[in-house]
Amino acid sequence: GESVGLHLPTLSVQEGDNSIINCAYSNSASDYFIWYKQESGKGPQFIIDIRSNMDKRQGQRVTVLLNKTVKHLSLQIAATQPGDSAVYFCAENSGGSNYKLTFGKGTLLTVNP
Amino acid sequence: DADVTQTPRNRITKTGKRIMLECSQTKGHDRMYWYRQDPGLGLRLIYYSFDVKDINKGEISDGYSVSRQAQAKFSLSLESAIPNQTALYFCATSDSTGWKLFFGSGTQLSVL
Repeated sequence: GESVGLHLPTLSVQEGDNSIINCAYSNSASDYFIWYKQESGKGPQFIIDIRSNMDKRQGQRVTVLLNKTVKHLSLQIAATQPGDSAVYFCAENSGGSNYKLTFGKGTLLTVNP
Repeated sequence: DADVTQTPRNRITKTGKRIMLECSQTKGHDRMYWYRQDPGLGLRLIYYSFDVKDINKGEISDGYSVSRQAQAKFSLSLESAIPNQTALYFCATSDSTGWKLFFGSGTQLSVL
């Protein structure tokens, strides 16, 4: 059989719609979270971050929501554009005072014109 | 010009060969990192360096070594390459104040 781990979760949306990408993180002690965008053939690019003392943070067309009760992070993209098509990763600072940034496996967002 | 530059962009090598991947940055950051990315998996940390005299192992350092030649340069070596080291390798930097990483464009390494 095939390995689930080799296939990214995917989200397909129409241009102009809002997108919501979800991420479950692992460590309840993590205090800093980041979203990265990776376009094909490129390195990951920082989108937005949030500290654990916040529930919501907004950027340009993007909003990150943090629910510490269920260890859940989401990235909302407003008015999704074809240029938003990419793989989106969440990352958590799971090492406390030691350096340990743990990345999720990513979600592939495809925007249909 | 790219702030974080990796060379080469692509490399094909044979099992047992020694190979070096290079990274240079113009961001003036103290901290530099090497990550590995495999299809369907998250980025995994190989080594990191918080300044020129500081080298630390990450979660998958076996089979790899690094050298921090200067604040702006951080190289990754595979002493004896093996096929399961075939992957996309990323160098990244950050300043000392946070966790925001700036990545290079990656080096696709294939070990035959």
